Amino acid sequence: GQNIDQPTEMTATEGAIVQINCTYQTSGFNGLFWYQQHAGEAPTFLSYNVLDGLEEKGRFSSFLSRSKGYSYLLLKELQMKDSASYLCAVWGDYKLSFGAGTTVTVRA
Amino acid sequence: EAQVTQNPRYLITVTGKKLTVTCSQNMNHEYMSWYRQDPGLGLRQIYYSMNVEVTDKGDVPEGYKVSRKEKRNFPLILESPSPNQTSLYFCASSSGGAGGYGYTFGSGTRLTVV
Repeated sequence: GQNIDQPTEMTATEGAIVQINCTYQTSGFNGLFWYQQHAGEAPTFLSYNVLDGLEEKGRFSSFLSRSKGYSYLLLKELQMKDSASYLCAVWGDYKLSFGAGTTVTVRA
Repeated sequence: EAQVTQNPRYLITVTGKKLTVTCSQNMNHEYMSWYRQDPGLGLRQIYYSMNVEVTDKGDVPEGYKVSRKEKRNFPLILESPSPNQTSLYFCASSSGGAGGYGYTFGSGTRLTVV
């Protein structure tokens, strides 16, 4: 089975940094994805990690430790438009399994 | 433009009235999948298809059917909808069934069963 845990909500101030943690226990692992989802819209791809380490893409970075079953998404220089839900997802057993998502609220 | 197209975007129906949600992709992807999203539960896979005429159950297949007669289309069928199938549904496709490519999602279908 798949078990993917992430915090339900986080709040941060505009310009700050927020780190969203994700822990997983899955029967198969072929990579970990992070998606952003605004309310009522489709998820959009942010990042992909298959090897241990940090992947940086602009203001967003994602880290993976396969031995610990752990990942985090780092959002820097927060902007109001970053207020959204962030989904951690693991690819394994021919499917992408999602955590319940972390709602990030950015305050002025 | 590369995309996954779902229709309809919104649907209100009555219990027991058969319905179909269509999904079509123009990227020649082999892998397609259906998810439902409910508050606090996240996205849960209903069915997936590795290729034409190859479909398999996901985590929550009860009450749903799918077919994959052509590569581009993957309709979701609710033979006898019930109120507990009220949800936000997403179709997705991928070029690689073994990971690394991620999904392209459709815009979603918000279904209400009364």
